[in-house]
Amino acid sequence: NAGVTQTPKFQVLKTGQSMTLQCAQDMNHNSMYWYRQDPGMGLRLIYYSASEGTTDKGEVPNGYNVSRLNKREFSLRLESAAPSQTSVYFCASSGGFVSNQPQHFGDGTRLSIL
Amino acid sequence: EDQVTQSPEALRLQEGESSSLNCSYTVSGLRGLFWYRQDPGKGPEFLFTLYSAGEEKEKERLKATLTKKESFLHITAPKPEDSATYLCAVQATNQAGTALIFGKGTTLSVSS
Repeated sequence: NAGVTQTPKFQVLKTGQSMTLQCAQDMNHNSMYWYRQDPGMGLRLIYYSASEGTTDKGEVPNGYNVSRLNKREFSLRLESAAPSQTSVYFCASSGGFVSNQPQHFGDGTRLSIL
Repeated sequence: EDQVTQSPEALRLQEGESSSLNCSYTVSGLRGLFWYRQDPGKGPEFLFTLYSAGEEKEKERLKATLTKKESFLHITAPKPEDSATYLCAVQATNQAGTALIFGKGTTLSVSS
């Protein structure tokens, strides 16, 4: 039972490069989320997708774009990477958008931008 | 402004020494409070959901409780394998969808 799978696990980019982080879940969840985790800041929501075909901004969306490819997959794209985007990125999913079901997380992508 | 504050930031215990972690929150309306455990290099792992004041949940050596202003995670007779960062998050009624507001976490170290 894989749960939420993120690829890649590690990545180093140069400033200005672009990259897409991939996320897939096998729990048949409707809602998916992207967070970033920085030391001393806690987890902050970047974008979320309440259901297939919808996406919306979270707390820190600037510099990112997302695509909900299908019910299973939700990708996060950095069009022109900046050092301030060095972080650990987590994808999560939950069963319902309106209900207060818990979110389940992947193991993250550790991204360094030089 | 909705806010979640966890204390202490770090806690060191001896094996078998019981203690509690605190999560205080300020939200306009609480839909749910969540506790997660995070090991180094891993994503947060779901532990408990609490929905209303007075509610309690237990799992092995962990017990979570909820009041109108805070939640406690009680750890009874901890073992070294309980060492991790514990995260608290709330879901507020005025937040879009199921967005969670996370605290910064408490890092627990249990030595034998």
